[in-house]
Amino acid sequence: QSALTQPASVSGSPGQSITISCTGTSSDVGGYNYVSWYQQHPGKAPKLMIYDVSNRPSGVSNRFSGSKSGNTASLTISGLQAEDEADYYCSSYTSSSANYVFGTGTKVTVL
Amino acid sequence: QVQLQQSGPGLVKPSQTLSLTCAISGDSVSSNSAAWNWIRQSPSRGLEWLGRTYYRSKWYNDYAVSVKSRITINPDTSKNQFSLQLNSVTPEDTAVYYCARVLQLELRLGCWFDPWGQGTLVTVSS
Repeated sequence: QSALTQPASVSGSPGQSITISCTGTSSDVGGYNYVSWYQQHPGKAPKLMIYDVSNRPSGVSNRFSGSKSGNTASLTISGLQAEDEADYYCSSYTSSSANYVFGTGTKVTVL
Repeated sequence: QVQLQQSGPGLVKPSQTLSLTCAISGDSVSSNSAAWNWIRQSPSRGLEWLGRTYYRSKWYNDYAVSVKSRITINPDTSKNQFSLQLNSVTPEDTAVYYCARVLQLELRLGCWFDPWGQGTLVTVSS
């Protein structure tokens, strides 16, 4: 199955808000509220930040929020901090193969 | 707190079998409330879900179509771990391999991975 589409890079200054998009189809993002988001620092494993579109796991800062409209999901980071500089990936259930598909990844740079 | 610890060789020759293990602490491979997954990441293919094993009165396995003919995921209840075997590897299988848990919800398996193992870089080269 094709990967979900994310912008290659997004940047912002400390304190600003940024939004990362994740575009799929009606077979994945648009068809189910099963989108999750992961943060990955260099050389580390991905870390769950958001699940089921907008739910935050315990321990994840409330500066991270998720939403969805149609076939596009979004991750917003508010009050951007230096530690937020990382790669971010979305993921969704896909009915086309009855498993999971990941996004292409977005590098977030804090200016 | 659930932790996953991966082990296995970092170099595999072409046409041979890639074998990795994921040891579980804080949960059970036989749990009715979880599924145990393998995911890989490479510059060319990005993040790719490979497959899972889970126990619901009996053992089930699901595999990605892209590797279905070459992959086996097995639980080891005596050691509380699960393994990945990928046969007939080529340089295209060079990637960082991760194990990860998915939780069982009331009516379905969840669709998020948490936690993840630390990752193992596997290079396929002679």
